[in-house]
Amino acid sequence: DAGVTQSPTHLIKTRGQHVTLRCSPISGHKSVSWYQQVLGQGPQFIFQYYEKEERGRGNFPDRFSARQFPNYSSELNVNALLLGDSALYLCASSVQGAYTEAFFGQGTRLTVV
Amino acid sequence: KQEVTQIPAALSVPEGENLVLNCSFTDSAIYNLQWFRQDPGKGLTSLLLIQSSQREQTSGRLNASLDKSSGRSTLYIAASQPGDSATYLCAARDSNYQLIWGAGTKLIIKP
Repeated sequence: DAGVTQSPTHLIKTRGQHVTLRCSPISGHKSVSWYQQVLGQGPQFIFQYYEKEERGRGNFPDRFSARQFPNYSSELNVNALLLGDSALYLCASSVQGAYTEAFFGQGTRLTVV
Repeated sequence: KQEVTQIPAALSVPEGENLVLNCSFTDSAIYNLQWFRQDPGKGLTSLLLIQSSQREQTSGRLNASLDKSSGRSTLYIAASQPGDSATYLCAARDSNYQLIWGAGTKLIIKP
């Protein structure tokens, strides 16, 4: 079985641009969460989706948005990119939200110049 | 607000030693606690998941314990090997279903 897959793996964008990151969860997993990890720090929660509905939102500006599709894949969108958005963006999938193990993809390294 | 702390931030030990990594959390109302490994520039690999009703979990040379009353979890690595070198992170699943993370312990095993 394939694990969590994220695309692209690396991305370079210019300040003010928009970016879309994609995530495909493990087959059978209905919950997808997004995290931002700045170098040297632990990940920070951005969004959680379960059964295509938003179940949680972290302390991020409205420039960040996400959605989950009927096949449970997900997109994270970031508008008006800032230098401070440069980070590793991680997607996690789990069978459901609370009690089950979270599995992560390899991440998307976003660099804003 | 849940806060997770990992001490030490970095640890260097000779190969073959047994070692303990520490994780503390401020709010005992957690669903579970998960330990991860992260290699440089890579994603996160799940090592162990401990539910709030459990005291410990074991996988190979790894043993994780959980004491909710004291807000602590430990990851014990037996007979360390150079391949164990990585950053180890713990994350607590809080009452909002979010994973709240420590900053990690960077472990170096010297051959």
